[in-house]
Amino acid sequence: QQQVKQSPQSLIVQKGGIPIINCAYENTAFDYFPWYQQFPGKGPALLIAIRPDVSEKKEGRFTISFNKSAKQFSLHIMDSQPGDSATYFCAAFLTGTASKLTFGTGTRLQVTL
Amino acid sequence: DAGVIQSPRHEVTEMGQEVTLRCKPISGHDYLFWYRQTMMRGLELLIYFNNNVPIDDSGMPEDRFSAKMPNASFSTLKIQPSEPRDSAVYFCASSLDRVSEQYFGPGTRLTVT
Repeated sequence: QQQVKQSPQSLIVQKGGIPIINCAYENTAFDYFPWYQQFPGKGPALLIAIRPDVSEKKEGRFTISFNKSAKQFSLHIMDSQPGDSATYFCAAFLTGTASKLTFGTGTRLQVTL
Repeated sequence: DAGVIQSPRHEVTEMGQEVTLRCKPISGHDYLFWYRQTMMRGLELLIYFNNNVPIDDSGMPEDRFSAKMPNASFSTLKIQPSEPRDSAVYFCASSLDRVSEQYFGPGTRLTVT
């Protein structure tokens, strides 16, 4: 059962553009939503995370927007750089119960010069 | 700290052979996770341990898969017998506690021919 749906599957933007990656979840009990960044040949690494009591969180050039009523959240990358080229995964987590992250299917981002 | 260590980084084996993947979590982390990543299914949690005890193995695809954690600094994931559809990248991750960030290892790329 796909509990976190992620789109698009791939994305190409020019340097300086603002790629947006979207995720939607089904389980309203999820209460922690991290984004992971994965470079080729490496394991995923936590990029930024948000809890549903806030609508937006910024860390550097990365911003998460969260819409609790729509059960959707998105990642925006401001002033994107070629070094941001990676695969991005959204995830959802139930902190009150088991320690299981449910991942989206990933978005392969390419930032061109 | 060296981070999560996995070995081998690449494994090529023939169908029917036993495969053992190894993981050393970050020292002091009480939780250890095994994930499988494929293009078709993305990142899937196979099993996780808390203080060396398996907590949830509902993601283990079938009886050919088994995982152990004999002590706090070592875990294995075994596939016996291996099949071509087991070809994937297998990640180990660890976290300090149930709600903390999960740190992923570099992964083991398994190819079963």
